[in-house]
Amino acid sequence: NAGVTQTPKFRVLKTGQSMTLLCAQDMNHEYMYWYRQDPGMGLRLIHYSVGEGTTAKGEVPDGYNVSRLKKQNFLLGLESAAPSQTSVYFCASSYSISGSFSYEQYFGPGTRLTVT
Amino acid sequence: GENVEQHPSTLSVQEGDSAVIKCTYSDSASNYFPWYKQELGKRPQLIIDIRSNVGEKKDQRIAVTLNKTAKHFSLHITETQPEDSAVYFCAANGRGSTLGRLYFGRGTQLTVWP
Repeated sequence: NAGVTQTPKFRVLKTGQSMTLLCAQDMNHEYMYWYRQDPGMGLRLIHYSVGEGTTAKGEVPDGYNVSRLKKQNFLLGLESAAPSQTSVYFCASSYSISGSFSYEQYFGPGTRLTVT
Repeated sequence: GENVEQHPSTLSVQEGDSAVIKCTYSDSASNYFPWYKQELGKRPQLIIDIRSNVGEKKDQRIAVTLNKTAKHFSLHITETQPEDSAVYFCAANGRGSTLGRLYFGRGTQLTVWP
């Protein structure tokens, strides 16, 4: 099992450009999350999904959109990149236990994004 | 939502000494408290977790304690080694609000000097 994978690993964008980050998991997990990590700020939740076709906002959703068309994939889109979106982005997935949240999250390797 | 505060932000210890990192949380309905370790340039990895039906859990040199009355939990690392150097994050699930997510502390940079 590859676990949680993310593409790309690195990306440099110019202000105003758009891009999509892809997260894939092969563990058949129901729940998927997108975080951003900035120095001294910990892991901040951008958006998350509790099932195929459903998404919800986290604490820092502005400027991002997400889609979960397939259970194994969770896409994060930046429509018009801004320098404030320079960050390391982590995807995570989690599973249920007897229909309840386990809350155990498994992280991908991260994507380092720089917006100039 | 839940609010998790973590202290200290940096911690330096001599190899062989113990290290303690503390977190407080605000949502009394939280019942899951994990700790993640993140080495430089790597992903966060779950190292230990505790659910609210127990007060302490150990795994070799690491242990977590939970005080639900005071709403705080701590990570204890004994006999520290240089490879324990990393950023450690605590989290809580905040079941009183939005289900399925974790709320993370801001992290503690632990440095173990040989």
